[in-house]
Amino acid sequence: EVQLVQSGAEVKKPGESLKISCKGSGYSFTSYWIGWVRQMPGKGLEWMGIIYPGDSDTRYSPSFQGQVTISADKSISTAYLQWSSLKASDTAMYYCVRSTGDINYWGQGTLVTVSS
Amino acid sequence: QLVLTQSPSASASLGASVKLTCTLSSGHSSYAIAWHQQQPEKGPRYLMKLNSDGSHSKGDGIPDRFSGSSSGAERYLTISSLQSEDEADYYCQTWGTGAYVVFGGGTKLTVL
Repeated sequence: EVQLVQSGAEVKKPGESLKISCKGSGYSFTSYWIGWVRQMPGKGLEWMGIIYPGDSDTRYSPSFQGQVTISADKSISTAYLQWSSLKASDTAMYYCVRSTGDINYWGQGTLVTVSS
Repeated sequence: QLVLTQSPSASASLGASVKLTCTLSSGHSSYAIAWHQQQPEKGPRYLMKLNSDGSHSKGDGIPDRFSGSSSGAERYLTISSLQSEDEADYYCQTWGTGAYVVFGGGTKLTVL
C-alpha cells in the first residue's frame, strides 16, 4: 500500500527556520516525483514545487522560488520542505503528493502556524 | 498559459446526479487532468485521471458513482446517487512540461 506520512504540526515564530518531512512507503521512492502543495486557511490548493528523488532534480513554482527549499534523502525515502525564515503568511496546511503528472497520492498534511 | 477554470459552487439534491466542469485554457484541449475531492476538515483525496478522449482510471476505493468524461477543452466529473458525504470541494489538476502542476480554483458542492 502506497503511503505518504508527514511530520506533525508545528508552531513557530516569525524569523525561525523549519523543515517538515514526508516519508514514502509501499513503492519505489526513487521512481516517482514528490511534490508539495500549500493550502492557506479557507483557500484552494497551490502548487509549490517538486523533486525527483532518483536524481534530486527539483523544480519550483515561480510563486515559491527562493521562498522555500525542497530536498529528498532517498536512503530513508523521505522528502523535505524547508524555510529559512518563516513569515506569518506561511501559516497554512502543507501536503506532500506523489505525482506521475496526475497527483495520485496525498500525504495527510502538516499544519504550520507562524505567530509571534 | 496553462490554466484550469472551475465554477466556484454547485448544488444538487440527495440521491440525484451532478456534473462538475473543469475547462482547460486555449491551446490545451488535449491535456489530461485529475480530479480530487476534499471533504470538510480533511485532506484531499485522488479520485481519477481523465484523458481527453474521456477514458479515465480511478484511484483506490473510489465508488462507481464517480465517473469522468471529456468534450473538447471541458473535463467533467459526474457524481450519481449523491450522498451526504459527497458534499466537498472538488479540484481539477493538470500538468505541463517540466513536471509543472496546475490546480483549478475548486468547486464547492452542496448536497441539498
